[in-house]
Amino acid sequence: ETGVTQTPRHLVMGMTNKKSLKCEQHLGHNAMYWYKQSAKKPLELMFVYNFKEQTENNSVPSRFSPECPNSSHLFLHLHTLQPEDSALYLCASSPLTGSANYGYTFGSGTRLTVV
Amino acid sequence: DQQVKQNSPSLSVQEGRISILNCDYTNSMFDYFLWYKKYPAEGPTFLISISSIKDKNEDGRFTVFLNKSAKHLSLHIVPSQPGDSAVYFCAASGMKTSYDKVIFGPGTSLSVIP
Repeated sequence: ETGVTQTPRHLVMGMTNKKSLKCEQHLGHNAMYWYKQSAKKPLELMFVYNFKEQTENNSVPSRFSPECPNSSHLFLHLHTLQPEDSALYLCASSPLTGSANYGYTFGSGTRLTVV
Repeated sequence: DQQVKQNSPSLSVQEGRISILNCDYTNSMFDYFLWYKKYPAEGPTFLISISSIKDKNEDGRFTVFLNKSAKHLSLHIVPSQPGDSAVYFCAASGMKTSYDKVIFGPGTSLSVIP
């Protein structure tokens, strides 16, 4: 148990579908992150939330919409995705933003396939 | 343009021997470096880190070396064990680049052969 739980583990969706990825942490952390890992590419930072407020949007297309209702939960809402959006989406948390130096705690990820 | 590079996609090492994983970076503003380990179907796990004010950090079988002038760091695992077989990601961050923007390398897949 990593302390960061992501659901679902696998998701297949059509390009016209709307779906959501969920991330939950019970570590008492106040910063949460979405990362994307495409095949044979480095992890790419998508969004950063600190105390429920978005502090970073790394030029992510608007078809990805994050939501952070509280410090323990993070969502990534997906709509009208493209096949090239197929990837592993990882959620992470850390005690505070600026504390990433002490290491994130990652979830196991959601493997997304867009057909 | 990758700011953190891991030029070896894969590495095979005999059990009991030393594994050396290499990482190069281009941004001189980075002042903190981290290594993560990832098993299949799991998220990355933080392994060890080093600040730019140091040139070595050791934690059990794992040692990270930093050569700032060469913009190079390496992770040494000794002795290597079959359970060390995983993908290892090098990562970097810095005060001036924002500690929130941890930049990851593409990873090196390590296989430890029994």
